[in-house]
Amino acid sequence: GAVVSQHPSRVICKSGTSVKIECRSLDFQATTMFWYRQFPKKSLMLMATSNEGSKATYEQGVEKDKFLINHASLTLSTLTVTSAHPEDSSFYICSARADRVGNSPLHFGNGTRLTVT
Amino acid sequence: DAKTTQPPSMDCAEGRAANLPCNHSTISGNEYVYWYRQIHSQGPQYIIHGLKNNETNEMASLIITEDRKSSTLILPHATLRDTAVYYCIVRVAGGGADGLTFGKGTHLIIQP
Repeated sequence: GAVVSQHPSRVICKSGTSVKIECRSLDFQATTMFWYRQFPKKSLMLMATSNEGSKATYEQGVEKDKFLINHASLTLSTLTVTSAHPEDSSFYICSARADRVGNSPLHFGNGTRLTVT
Repeated sequence: DAKTTQPPSMDCAEGRAANLPCNHSTISGNEYVYWYRQIHSQGPQYIIHGLKNNETNEMASLIITEDRKSSTLILPHATLRDTAVYYCIVRVAGGGADGLTFGKGTHLIIQP
């Protein structure tokens, strides 16, 4: 159980275009999902917290107008990288947990490798 | 969340037990110890977590010292597929609204 699916796994786009990444919890409902970014040989950095039915909460230094997050349902959150530039090339990973108040672990998708040319 | 300290890298022979240490000397009484690993180019994978008792599941064992200031993740019979970066994270229970904070972890290399 507790599977998080992320799509696409890889995407290449041209500079100036937008890319949408989907994150789905397949067998549980997630009121909260999290988006991370990871640069080569670095650890994961939390970008934003995605709340179902409300606006996302962004970490300091993350541009909310550039990284649009929509959490339309209890099983789907999307991250749209708008007007992508080569420096946005990175590994984007989403995660979710089945409950808010317990100690159940976060489960992660397998990531999306974005390359902006 | 309390800060953790892990060695940057470790080697282990295939078939032997891999023991990964983690120091969390500032851990609070309501903070759990979680272990995740990340195999190259994949998302992190949950391994195990515990509060103060030792825990075991199909993947690993978690040994937490009595004072809770450190813990050890044990992979009993390491295989080449266990080569990954292992992250030790402490966080409060009920922190469902907060994402995990990842440190640099330990790069475990299983040698054939």
